[in-house]
Amino acid sequence: GESVGLHLPTLSVQEGDNSIINCAYSNSASDYFIWYKQESGKGPQFIIDIRSNMDKRQGQRVTVLLNKTVKHLSLQIAATQPGDSAVYFCAESSSGSARQLTFGSGTQLTVLP
Amino acid sequence: EAGVAQSPRYKIIEKRQSVAFWCNPISGHATLYWYQQILGQGPKLLIQFQNNGVVDDSQLPKDRFSAERLKGVDSTLKIQPAKLEDSAVYLCASSSPPGQAYGGYTFGSGTRLTVV
Repeated sequence: GESVGLHLPTLSVQEGDNSIINCAYSNSASDYFIWYKQESGKGPQFIIDIRSNMDKRQGQRVTVLLNKTVKHLSLQIAATQPGDSAVYFCAESSSGSARQLTFGSGTQLTVLP
Repeated sequence: EAGVAQSPRYKIIEKRQSVAFWCNPISGHATLYWYQQILGQGPKLLIQFQNNGVVDDSQLPKDRFSAERLKGVDSTLKIQPAKLEDSAVYLCASSSPPGQAYGGYTFGSGTRLTVV
């Protein structure tokens, strides 16, 4: 069935380096893709979203890239900080799903001092 | 702006017992969702409400799970009887009207349920 998946379950980066978290999706009808950060004991926290008619969107220290040709999504975090350590999920939504989200399984990002 | 409130934060019950979770969405958010998050996985939608009506409950195990949203504000999710595989975090989310970006889609901190 349709799914959203991640390439790597864990990622460790040095503080100050850039982080790249990848996500593959299979639902070609998806029209929104969203990245969430989830810290232990908390609910998912919105980071950034991108519509399917865009290929790049930037926020504060984050950039999301969308490649519809290969159905791939990535989240880039610049100058990674200890507070960025968390599980990151990509999620997709389609206009026919009443804004319901389909999540991938997550990537655990660990920032090393 | 106050966030999505959920209670209790933790619950431990024995299998075959019943349990209920409560959610208070962000003021003015007409749409409310319940998600189940099993350890190590992403959240999975259980049910979606628009005001006090059910939009989609196709993934809700209706033989044991029920949910309601009386008066279109607070919502309650109930499990009766609970099974071991129901151990998970139950997340409530609410969203701003369609057409707005997903920044207005907000999750609560969840209720962690352990069934023993």
